[in-house]
Amino acid sequence: EAGVAQSPRYKIIEKRQSVAFWCNPISGHATLYWYQQILGQGPKLLIQFQNNGVVDDSQLPKDRFSAERLKGVDSTLKIQPAKLEDSAVYLCASSWARGNTIYFGEGSWLTVV
Amino acid sequence: AQSVTQLDSHVSVSEGTPVLLRCNYSSSYSPSLFWYVQHPNKGLQLLLKYTSAATLVKGINGFEAEFKKSETSFHLTKPSAHMSDAAEYFCVVEMGSQGNLIFGKGTKLSVKP
Repeated sequence: EAGVAQSPRYKIIEKRQSVAFWCNPISGHATLYWYQQILGQGPKLLIQFQNNGVVDDSQLPKDRFSAERLKGVDSTLKIQPAKLEDSAVYLCASSWARGNTIYFGEGSWLTVV
Repeated sequence: AQSVTQLDSHVSVSEGTPVLLRCNYSSSYSPSLFWYVQHPNKGLQLLLKYTSAATLVKGINGFEAEFKKSETSFHLTKPSAHMSDAAEYFCVVEMGSQGNLIFGKGTKLSVKP
C-alpha cells in the first residue's frame, strides 16, 4: 500500500516569497491533516479536512497560509508571503476516518532566508 | 484541555540496555494516547496506541507502554536497546472526537555501541 506522498521534499525561498506544498493521501482516506513541525518541537496541527470540507483550521495563520482539498483527495498548502519563522517541516497525514490511525508523509522541509 | 509532557528532551543508553522514555498526560477524560517515532529525514511512524482497553500496550519493534491513570503517565519502554532505535520519540494525546493529535516536544534517544 502506497503511503502519504508529499512534494517537494525540500524548498528554500526568500522571505516575502510564496511557496506551495502538495500532498496525496493514502487511497480511500477521507481525513487529511497538515501539521507544522518547527525544529526541536513536536508537530502542531494547522488544518484538518474531512473529504473536501474543513473541520478545523483554528491554528492556521490565515493572513498568510491557505489550504485546499478541492476534490477530496489531493491537497495543497500555500504560504504567501513567507516569513523567517515559517521555516519548518510541513507534514501531511491522512486517516480512514476521524479517530482512526493517522499515517504521516515524510514531510516537506521549508527554509526561509 | 488535553496535553502531554515528555519529561526528558534527550535520553542516552548503551546498546542492549533497557529504554525508558517518560510521558505524563493531562486530560479531563480517559484519553487515547500514542507513541510515534521519527527517524532522521523520515516521516512519523506509529509505535503503539492506547484506547482504554488493556493498560499494557505492546507496539512494534519490541516497544511497550503502560497506561497508569493514578500517575497520569504513559511511559514507553523496551527491554534491550538496538542501534536502530536511535530516533526522536513523541508522546501524543488525541483531542476530542475530531481525531486531532497533540504532540509532546519529543525525546531524542541516542544508543551507544
